[in-house]
Amino acid sequence: GQNIDQPTEMTATEGAIVQINCTYQTSGFNGLFWYQQHAGEAPTFLSYNVLDGLEEKGRFSSFLSRSKGYSYLLLKELQMKDSASYLCASMDSNYQLIWGAGTKLIIKP
Amino acid sequence: TAGITQAPTSQILAAGRSMTLRCTQDMRHNAMYWYRQDLGLGLRLIHYSNTAGTTGKGEVPDGYSVSRANTDDFPLTLASAVPSQTSVYFCATSEVGAESNEQFFGPGTRLTVL
Repeated sequence: GQNIDQPTEMTATEGAIVQINCTYQTSGFNGLFWYQQHAGEAPTFLSYNVLDGLEEKGRFSSFLSRSKGYSYLLLKELQMKDSASYLCASMDSNYQLIWGAGTKLIIKP
Repeated sequence: TAGITQAPTSQILAAGRSMTLRCTQDMRHNAMYWYRQDLGLGLRLIHYSNTAGTTGKGEVPDGYSVSRANTDDFPLTLASAVPSQTSVYFCATSEVGAESNEQFFGPGTRLTVL
């Protein structure tokens, strides 16, 4: 079956670094996506990895290991506005996204 | 720029009634999607369309129907609503074949079926 696992909730301190992990198992693989979703809003795209390794984009970085079915999203210099849910999604062989339930990140001052 | 619009923003619907959720894009993307999002669950694909004139079933299609008469519009119809269809519905688009296959989301419709 197809499955995406990520922690339900994480707490971190303003200014710190947090790593949100995601493991995936899908029928075929065409890339791993991370989206950010603030409460009551639509998901917005953060990153896309299709090759192994680290992709850095400002304060956010995303890592992929295809052999391990594993990805993480790294958020540096946390700000209060980073409080949101972070959604991991794997694109399967039909180019459909299979979504995790999301990780709610709580930032404390 | 509008991007993707959805209507209505929210709706309370009596069980057994029908309703159409509207989605319109001005991005000229070829693919469009309907998802539902429920607490504690990931986004689940209801129906999709890879190009105008074609549609396909997603993970949870029962009780829903779609049409794609043109590039811009992708309405979702509930023929006879049931309380389990209470959810937040998101329409999304993507350009199939683009480098990242990124999906763009509309603002969502919050539907309550009583």
